[in-house]
Amino acid sequence: DAGITQSPRHKVTETGTPVTLRCHQTENHRYMYWYRQDPGHGLRLIHYSYGVKDTDKGEVSDGYSVSRSKTEDFLLTLESATSSQTSVYFCAISEGPTEFFGPGTRLTVL
Amino acid sequence: QKEVEQNSGPLSVPEGAIASLNCTYSDRGSQSFFWYRQYSGKSPELIMSIYSNGDKEDGRFTAQLNKASQYVSLLIRDSQPSDSATYLCAVPGANNLFFGTGTRLTVIP
Repeated sequence: DAGITQSPRHKVTETGTPVTLRCHQTENHRYMYWYRQDPGHGLRLIHYSYGVKDTDKGEVSDGYSVSRSKTEDFLLTLESATSSQTSVYFCAISEGPTEFFGPGTRLTVL
Repeated sequence: QKEVEQNSGPLSVPEGAIASLNCTYSDRGSQSFFWYRQYSGKSPELIMSIYSNGDKEDGRFTAQLNKASQYVSLLIRDSQPSDSATYLCAVPGANNLFFGTGTRLTVIP
């Protein structure tokens, strides 16, 4: 357990609504990540952060934004949710070369 | 962008048998490799890492790396029903890991 929590764990929302997912860590890790996982695509990086207010895009960043105002919190925002963003979202931290994952958020966009 | 290829399976083995999971990668410069296990509905968890050619053993798990062939494998000896999961191979990029799509393993009692 790398001390990572995600909230909410499940969410159902409607197309066009904004959604924010939260990742919280307790161990002061510098790097944090947001991935989405879809059948046939595996884990794909959305955005990552390498410090407070320091973020960068990943492979599938379109339609997503992130913020990191404190070391322990990394927020992922879908400004206007679409059905293609229905997925399972995982937050991760890195410890050396490896990554450790939070429990995930299952998001359904109707 | 690094590419990691895995056979999606499903791979079915009887209880007690050896399960062999394979992964190929595109970047010859990759220096380290990781195997994650993911149970259905759960998050991936790290089970093995390997950094040099040859074998690394940890209990019933053995990771094998062949850099010349750009190939890494995971062997699970004496497979148990509790080993039924999806296994993900990963290689580091500049700032994050790149994952394969995973191989689903079913161990039949």
